[in-house]
Amino acid sequence: AQKITQTQPGMFVQEKEAVTLDCTYDTSDPSYGLFWYKQPSSGEMIFLIYQGSYDQQNATEGRYSLNFQKARKSANLVISASQLGDSAMYFCAMREPSTDSNYQLIWGAGTKLIIKP
Amino acid sequence: SQTIHQWPATLVQPVGSPLSLECTVEGTSNPNLYWYRQAAGRGLQLLFYSVGIGQISSEVPQNLSASRPQDRQFILSSKKLLLSDSGFYLCAWSATRRVGTEAFFGQGTRLTVV
Repeated sequence: AQKITQTQPGMFVQEKEAVTLDCTYDTSDPSYGLFWYKQPSSGEMIFLIYQGSYDQQNATEGRYSLNFQKARKSANLVISASQLGDSAMYFCAMREPSTDSNYQLIWGAGTKLIIKP
Repeated sequence: SQTIHQWPATLVQPVGSPLSLECTVEGTSNPNLYWYRQAAGRGLQLLFYSVGIGQISSEVPQNLSASRPQDRQFILSSKKLLLSDSGFYLCAWSATRRVGTEAFFGQGTRLTVV
């Protein structure tokens, strides 16, 4: 079963509008971490924001915020006042304790965001 | 501050040739190190991870191998490349194995096997 699901393969958004990128996850572990990364066309993965499963408040980092709905197992990324430079692939990822103590990141398939001028 | 270097950025290799991709981390000690592969337009697939010198774990059976000869050096290798080895390879490091630890990535290597 998919551990991380990103249902939007691609999105077009007008510059300066807010955008929400969806991410749902599946885990039975009470302790886990959720991450969002941005991958521009250059290829590098850029860490954006983190939400811990026990965090009481939604994470925010500048124009990025995470809409964490634990009961729905949802961790959507919200980008406020989008800019042309926000055009990129966005990946949701989860880390949970695993039996081999690897603590590896589990990745979604990504959403391609294109900001229109 | 910590930095991660990965090279080369682009590589075109013939089928059957060997491969060596190198990744080094600066500014930290005893990092957890990872090699990922990303097919075009897809998410990341973990290939190898290492929690210490000489300690390598493989996530998927494949034509590739990894080695960690020094604390902050991680090498991805193949003796004979296959066409299916083409892809975008990313090296990453993280400080600990706690759930809240983000991974930091190198610039990636785009490998084309011809």
